[in-house]
Amino acid sequence: NAGVTQTPKFQVLKTGQSMTLQCAQDMNHNSMYWYRQDPGMGLRLIYYSASEGTTDKGEVPNGYNVSRLNKREFSLRLESAAPSQTSVYFCASSVSAAYEQYFGPGTRLTVT
Amino acid sequence: AQSVTQPDIHITVSEGASLELRCNYSYGATPYLFWYVQSPGQGLQLLLKYFSGDTLVQGIKGFEAEFKRSQSSFNLRKPSVHWSDAAEYFCAVRTRYGNKLVFGAGTILRVKS
Repeated sequence: NAGVTQTPKFQVLKTGQSMTLQCAQDMNHNSMYWYRQDPGMGLRLIYYSASEGTTDKGEVPNGYNVSRLNKREFSLRLESAAPSQTSVYFCASSVSAAYEQYFGPGTRLTVT
Repeated sequence: AQSVTQPDIHITVSEGASLELRCNYSYGATPYLFWYVQSPGQGLQLLLKYFSGDTLVQGIKGFEAEFKRSQSSFNLRKPSVHWSDAAEYFCAVRTRYGNKLVFGAGTILRVKS
């Protein structure tokens, strides 16, 4: 099992460009999450999907959109990237919201 | 709103010495508690979790943590640190009826030989 996979690993964008971060899990988990990690701030939840067909905002949703494409895949879209979105982005999944989360390797995004 | 505090941003210990990383949470009832470890350039790996029952929980890599309700704490311990334990450690909390994890800011562990 690959667990949680994310693509790309690295990305550099110019201000105003758009991109989609991809996440997939092969553990048959129901819940999926997107976090951003910034120095000294731990991980902050951007959006989550408690189950296929549902999505909800987390702590820092502004500037992002998500799509739960199917049970396996959960994508994060930046419509118009800003330098403040320079961060490391992690996708995670769990059997359900009640259980521990498993994390992907992360995407390091730089917006210039 | 629930919050998680990890008071130590950096900790340095000698290889072979014992380790304790502190975690305090703010929440009215007993939450679900987790410790994760992140090696440089990697994702987060679950070390251990507490849901209920025995307040001393064992995890992977020789780590353990103790839940103390009276102190709202869930400190992580290891009796003898190895150089490979150098990483960043995150405490996380989830309310019993919520569906989101709240993370502390992390503690960076350095191990000196």
